[in-house]
This record gives sequence, C-alpha cells and structure tokens, in this order.
Amino acid sequence: AQTVTQSQPEMSVQEAETVTLSCTYDTSESDYYLFWYKQPPSRQMILVIRQEAYKQQNATENRFSVNFQKAAKSFSLKISDSQLGDAAMYFCAYRSGETSGSRLTFGEGTQLTVNP
Amino acid sequence: DTAVSQTPKYLVTQMGNDKSIKCEQNLGHDTMYWYKQDSKKFLKIMFSYNNKELIINETVPNRFSPKSPDKAHLNLHINSLELGDSAVYFCASSQGATPTYEQYFGPGTRLTVT
Repeated sequence: AQTVTQSQPEMSVQEAETVTLSCTYDTSESDYYLFWYKQPPSRQMILVIRQEAYKQQNATENRFSVNFQKAAKSFSLKISDSQLGDAAMYFCAYRSGETSGSRLTFGEGTQLTVNP
Repeated sequence: DTAVSQTPKYLVTQMGNDKSIKCEQNLGHDTMYWYKQDSKKFLKIMFSYNNKELIINETVPNRFSPKSPDKAHLNLHINSLELGDSAVYFCASSQGATPTYEQYFGPGTRLTVT
C-alpha cells in the first residue's frame, strides 16, 4: 500500500518570504500522480498543484512550485512571496495511475502560519 | 454557483441515532467520493461511485451506507451513530474515475455525536 508522509506538522513564514513544505511517499508503482491540497480555516479543500510522475519537469502554478525527486520519492512544495491568505493546512496526496478508480492517499498535513 | 454542495454543513446528534448527509454536484461529473477527516485532520477515502456504481469501498463499518440515486447525487447514511463517528465528512466529484481528472471537494459536513 502507498503511504504519504509529511514530517513537518507546523511551519511558519514571514509575509513575502519563501517557504518549503516537505512530503515523501512510498510506492512500487511507476505511474502515479502527486498533489498538494490547501485547506484554509473555511475547511474547503483546494487543489494547489499536481505532478504526473512521468513528467520530469517540475510543476509550477504562479507562486507555487514543486521539487519532484522521483528516485528519492520526494515531492516538496515551495511557496514564494508568501501572503497572509496562504495560511492554511497543506496536504500532500498520492494517487495511482495504474488503476482506474484509484484513491487519493493523503499525508498528515502541515499547518502553515504566515506572519505579517 | 456551488459546484459540489453538501447538506447539512453541521450536524449534532446523539449516540444511537441514524442520520444522512446529502451531496450534490452540478458539474456533470461521473464520479463521486466520500472522505472522512478525523479530529487530527487526517483525510481518508471511504467510498467512490462511478456512474452510480460503487468502485471504492474502504474498510468502514457496515453502519455507513452510501447511496447514489443518480450521477449528480451521492448520499451517506449512517446508522447507530457512535462517538467515534464525529468527524468532518467531505464529498467530492470528478469528471471520471482516472487520476487525470481533478477532484472537486464540497464544503464538508461537521458531524458531532454526543
């Protein structure tokens, strides 16, 4: 079974600074997808960014980018120019690409605080 | 326009009661999901339906029964509620069951069992 580990329960960053959230995963599959979701206090789950394992290029969405290290099974999220609205719980998630109907497996989450 | 909606948003009930949570999506998606987020914020899949057919059925107590009357709705019925059922339940939907399709989440239903 696949597992996702986020080793940082809490992180904090100063507004306008850069922060990196860590995620590692364990799988024997070669075809899979990785995601970062954001859950603000409103509790709505919002997809931040996704990465297909077959793509070597790291995904980028505006101020959000990932560092995908397939051999190391590492998938970190970098938030540049942090804003107060980035404060939220961030979840890393894995999904198998080898079976239809595969499930999202989430990490434990990292609570990000943005200090003004 | 709300893409994935859940009713109710908050539900407080006593142990032993039976309750239902409703989910509706207006995105025209074929696949719907139920997730449970426990008190430690850990999220886990419970069920998934594709075109009204159950495709994921995780190890959850038989007291939990999903029902999909049509592709736009996936309801969750819980019998004989227990204290440990207290959690936030999220509904989600996607265009298809493959990982290429993004899952859109509802606002969640906070269930409190007293």
